[in-house]
Parts: sequence; C-alpha cells; structure tokens
Amino acid sequence: DTEVTQTPKHLVMGMTNKKSLKCEQHMGHRAMYWYKQKAKKPPELMFVYSYEKLSINESVPSRFSPECPNSSLLNLHLHALQPEDSALYLCASSLRGSDTQYFGPGTRLTVL
Amino acid sequence: DQQVKQNSPSLSVQEGRISILNCDYTNSMFDYFLWYKKYPAEGPTFLISISSIKDKNEDGRFTVFLNKSAKHLSLHIVPSQPGDSAVYFCAASAINAGGTSYGKLTFGQGTILTVHP
Repeated sequence: DTEVTQTPKHLVMGMTNKKSLKCEQHMGHRAMYWYKQKAKKPPELMFVYSYEKLSINESVPSRFSPECPNSSLLNLHLHALQPEDSALYLCASSLRGSDTQYFGPGTRLTVL
Repeated sequence: DQQVKQNSPSLSVQEGRISILNCDYTNSMFDYFLWYKKYPAEGPTFLISISSIKDKNEDGRFTVFLNKSAKHLSLHIVPSQPGDSAVYFCAASAINAGGTSYGKLTFGQGTILTVHP
C-alpha cells in the first residue's frame, strides 16, 4: 500500500481567510513533503519534514506555515494568501529522505 | 539553472510501438533517478527508479536506462498502450550528498506522451 491521502480535494479561499491543508499516510514513512505545482510546470519543493522535524524550507513565504503533529500527519496552514498562490498543492512521503517519494492526489487551491 | 531537462515537450506514438522518453541532467551529485507519470489534476504516480550504481532497471513494460558519462537517462515503454497517455516527469536526487540536499527531488519540465489507438 503506497497511499497518501490529502484533504480537501478542492479549496477556494479569499485573501483574508485562514485555512489548512491536511496530508496523511500510514505506511510508516518518516519523511514528508509539501510541493506546489502550477499549470504546465513541474512540482516545486516547498518543505521537507524528516522524523517530524522541519529539515528543508525552500525560502517559502511565511503565509505558508507547515506543521507535522506526528509521524503520519502533515498540515499546511494558509493565511493571507495571494491570487498567484493558486495552484495544486501536493503532499508526498518516503520511508526516509533518501527513498522513493509517493505522492497524494493533491489539493487544488484557488485564491480569490 | 535547470538541473534536470526533458527537451521534448511532447511525444506521439502508435499503440503497440515503443515510447522512448529522454532526460538529461547537469548535477554530477545526482545519484538516484525516478520517473513519474501524471494525469491532470492528480498527484504524480511513481513508475520506476534507478540508482547510479546501475545502468538499467526493468519493471514489466517499463525500462529505465542510465548513461552516467553522458548524464542521460531514458524511459522505454514497450508496448505502448493508450492508457499510458499522460505527462511523464523525470526526477533526480542526491541521496548521498546529505545536508540540505537530503530528500530534495529535482524535476524535469515533463513530456506529454500521447499513444494513439
């Protein structure tokens, strides 16, 4: 089983809203990732968590705030986003940072 | 600086024939390579990977070839099927580099494969 689940599937929010994206895996993976993908572009890495600790932040604006409450769960808290933040947000996990990453289905975010 | 490049934006192939997708990289620290398949509005699906200690890895209809001296890899799909039509991403990581590179996947721009019945 290589399933990573993400909720919600779609999200529409205003620029003053606060919302959260959720990602879950039960494969015992200890590394989890957030990516952002714009149309016709490859996924771009945002954050990496390894053993529940933030190990990579790719200079992401502070309006995106990741959280890893436990080894199975990864959240991305959103606040005061801009319309250009509209994209597909992908979560991935791997056994360790050096292993194959498995992706969830993504959350399609639209910022109005 | 694009460290992983897929120079063909699209490829069209007849059903039953071979599809060959190419990928070039520039970073000599990359030592693990992966291919993902992606449908619109879905997450990438892992297909096959290869470590730099090998030059070929096969899984069913999918074979990945790695030419380290040329910094080139390719994905062969034989025989191609209409259900293979999707965007294919090549990705690379430097798993033995450690530090801030650990866990970081760098993707190519993708190649749209269309398999005609």
